[in-house]
Amino acid sequence: EAEVAQSPRYKITEKSQAVAFWCDPISGHATLYWYRQILGQGPELLVQFQDESVVDDSQLPKDRFSAERLKGVDSTLKIQPAELGDSAMYLCASEGGGASGANVLTFGAGSRLTVL
Amino acid sequence: AQRVTQPEKLLSVFKGAPVELKCNYSYSGSPELFWYVQYSRQRLQLLLRHISRESIKGFTADLNKGETSFHLKKPFAQEEDSAMYYCALSGLGYGQNFVFGPGTRLSVLP
Repeated sequence: EAEVAQSPRYKITEKSQAVAFWCDPISGHATLYWYRQILGQGPELLVQFQDESVVDDSQLPKDRFSAERLKGVDSTLKIQPAELGDSAMYLCASEGGGASGANVLTFGAGSRLTVL
Repeated sequence: AQRVTQPEKLLSVFKGAPVELKCNYSYSGSPELFWYVQYSRQRLQLLLRHISRESIKGFTADLNKGETSFHLKKPFAQEEDSAMYYCALSGLGYGQNFVFGPGTRLSVLP
């Protein structure tokens, strides 16, 4: 069964350092989402891509976060510099193809970030 | 504004008891409502969506537009139902923005 791949699974860094997360969606899925999930809360959207274009990044802290999906396939989310409050799970999801795939999100395993 | 609320952070029931996980939403327009579930050490995954009108693993959810609710129900809870449950909404069609609730942890006791 096709999966959304994310790496790294775990990242520990010191504040002010740079971190990057990678996501490879299911082949053929045009829409890709990055969510942040703080412990005890639900996922919150950071950025949404349609192919290589950003559809919604209104909740992305653009002073320190950036995201790209240059070829409309895999995507990278970067944080520079990391702050203590960035400690969270970063989830990537892609939206299914076909008539029955609309509005169906498939999530990756997530990247857990701890900022010391 | 789009919003999903789940009033219970934790719900504990005994095996065989009925379960109802509450979800209320606010949305201007016609949303699609979902329940996502995350079992221990597994990925967040779709449980059911209101347009499918399916029963998945014995769970059902009815969209009540008057009360803006989408409560998840199961008549007889099983221990394997223990998990985090997230209610979510989006607009209709591809490429919509999804909004998730804070989640309810269901614990089914033996």
